[in-house]
Amino acid sequence: KNEVEQSPQNLTAQEGEFITINCSYSVGISALHWLQQHPGGGIVSLFMLSSGKKKHGRLIATINIQEKHSSLHITASHPRDSAVYICAVDFSGSARQLTFGSGTQLTVLP
Amino acid sequence: DAGITQSPRYKITETGRQVTLMCHQTWSHSYMFWYRQDLGHGLRLIYYSAAADITDKGEVPDGYVVSRSKTENFPLTLESATRSQTSVYFCASRGTSGYNEQFFGPGTRLTVL
Repeated sequence: KNEVEQSPQNLTAQEGEFITINCSYSVGISALHWLQQHPGGGIVSLFMLSSGKKKHGRLIATINIQEKHSSLHITASHPRDSAVYICAVDFSGSARQLTFGSGTQLTVLP
Repeated sequence: DAGITQSPRYKITETGRQVTLMCHQTWSHSYMFWYRQDLGHGLRLIYYSAAADITDKGEVPDGYVVSRSKTENFPLTLESATRSQTSVYFCASRGTSGYNEQFFGPGTRLTVL
């Protein structure tokens, strides 16, 4: 069964802290996505990656294909980073459908 | 405006009524998707479409109907709304070629009384 597991489910941090959210998946993939959803808001794509590492501002996403694992890092966290972060995976042969993790609720306190 | 839009953004209806949620995208993406998002369940796929006139069921299709006569539109109809269909509904679209991200609409918050 194609599964995506995210951890932690909830994360509270102080402003300025380095944050890591993890995602693991069960079988081969063609790509992995990190999405962000602010409270009451829409869903925005942060990264799409199939290997290595990507960086955008204070956000860094890495993926290890052999270990079937990805991490999303936030450096120098800020209260505006408070949101739900969702890992989603293109399993190979999935006809463009994404399989979603359950999300990580991040709260950054000032 | 370019992008993906949904209407209405908020809807309150009564049990048993028919409701149609609209989704429109301007990129000519082949793939379109409907999800519902509920506390404790995350995003669940209701229906998807690979092209005009091609649709298929997702994880939770019961009680919903879709159509796709034009590439840019993908309406979702609740034929006889039930309280369990109270949810936030997201439409999304995605291209077929290469390395394509999935783009989400702003969502429709539906309440069935």
